[in-house]
Amino acid sequence: DIQMTQSPSTLSASVGDRVTITCRASQSISSWLAWYQQKPGKAPKLLIYKASSLESGVSSRFSGSGSGTEFTLTISSLQPDDFATYYCQQYNSYPLTFGGGTKVEIK
Amino acid sequence: QVQLVQSGAEVKKPGASVKISCKASGYTVTSYTVHWVRQAPGQRLEWMGWINAANNTEYSQKFQGRVTITRDTSASTANMELSSLRSEDTAIYYCAREGRRGSYYSYWGQGTLVTVSS
Repeated sequence: DIQMTQSPSTLSASVGDRVTITCRASQSISSWLAWYQQKPGKAPKLLIYKASSLESGVSSRFSGSGSGTEFTLTISSLQPDDFATYYCQQYNSYPLTFGGGTKVEIK
Repeated sequence: QVQLVQSGAEVKKPGASVKISCKASGYTVTSYTVHWVRQAPGQRLEWMGWINAANNTEYSQKFQGRVTITRDTSASTANMELSSLRSEDTAIYYCAREGRRGSYYSYWGQGTLVTVSS
C-alpha cells in the first residue's frame, strides 16, 4: 500500500497568511493526487485533483503543485472560511489512501 | 445538481451487519463509479471499495469477505453492507462519486454514523 504522510499535522495561522501543507507519498504516484477540505461534521470537499487542477467553483487562492512523491497545497491568503482540516489522497493505485490530515487553526 | 443522500445513523451490536444506502440524483447512476470511504474517530479517511458503471466491484483487502457493495439502478441507489461488526467499525461511512478524470471524489454523501456497541 502507498503511505501518504502530511505535514504539519496542525498549523496555526492568521487571516491573510500564506499557508503551505506538504504531502509525501511512500512511492511515486505521478500526479495522481487530490486535496480535500473538511469542516467538523461535514463531508470532505474536493479542492484540487491531478496535483494541480483546481476543481470548478473552488477559490483560486487554493493551488497545488508537485509530482512523484512530494506535493504541496498552498492557500495564498488565508480567509476565515479556510480554517478546517485538509487531506491529500493518492489515486495512482489501489488501495486508494489518504494522508493523516492537517488542521489549520486560528492563531 | 449532483446529490448523494445517505440513509440515517445506525447502532449495532458486535457481530451484526449494517447496510447503508446512497441515493444519487442529478446524474445517471450507471455512468460513474461510486466508492465507499469511512472515517473512524480520530483516524484518517479509509477507502473500502467501489462499484463501477458495469456493476463490477472492487474491495479493499482489509474488508474483503466482510463488505458487499451493490447497486439498485431503478432506485438510483448504491448500497454498502458490512458484516461481522466490531467496535473498531464505529465510524462515519461516506459514499462518494468519482470525478470525470480519475478516482478522486467530486461529490460526497453527507455521511452515515455507524456505532457498534454492546
